Amino acid sequence: SYVLTQPPSVSVAPGQTATITCERNNIGSHSVHWYQQKPGQAPVLVVYDDGARPSGIPERFSGSNSGNTATLTISRVEVGDEADYYCQVWDYISDEFGGGTKLTVL
Amino acid sequence: QITLKESGPTLVKPTQTLTLTCTFSGFSLNTSGMGVGWIRQPPGKALEWLTLLYWNDDKYYSPSLKSRLTITKDTSKNLMVLTMTHMDPVDTGTYYCAHRTPYSGSWRYWGQGTQITVAS
Repeated sequence: SYVLTQPPSVSVAPGQTATITCERNNIGSHSVHWYQQKPGQAPVLVVYDDGARPSGIPERFSGSNSGNTATLTISRVEVGDEADYYCQVWDYISDEFGGGTKLTVL
Repeated sequence: QITLKESGPTLVKPTQTLTLTCTFSGFSLNTSGMGVGWIRQPPGKALEWLTLLYWNDDKYYSPSLKSRLTITKDTSKNLMVLTMTHMDPVDTGTYYCAHRTPYSGSWRYWGQGTQITVAS
């Protein structure tokens, strides 16, 4: 089991908004980071420090974090966004990854 | 441009020790704030963090694997080395080295990963 809880799967139609959650007790007191991983590829950082985007990541990717839930939001979803998404937290002595969410674009 | 690349054996026997090297470029582990580490992924499963090493030689290990892991660096050669003892088939998977975003808890740059199989 994982300390960071993610839904195993999320499905969305192209053009719609996808929301992926990451739950942990008091996660709002930590910075949360999100990764996209496509089959056979290394993960890619898409959101860091709750809501910042690395250069090259589209503005369609955004994040928020409060209370016990952090959220990755992908607006105007494209077929190319289909991938596994992982949240990650550093609790000052160790890293933790969530169990991952498979985003399916219908 | 920051790049990282893992190297090492592809097949390890149970009980043996795994040694992986990560060679990097585009940054120096002598620079304040810099960090590198290892993350692995069993086939079809989630990412699992293993270890983190900072420029000042601060080291952090996964609590569940701490007794089996050692991370070291060679700043003159721009590389770090992971050793993992007592390998077991459950340790089979892809092992990634990655660059820690300075003053952030995130992993900004990743190597391509190296596939490790533990089998007799």
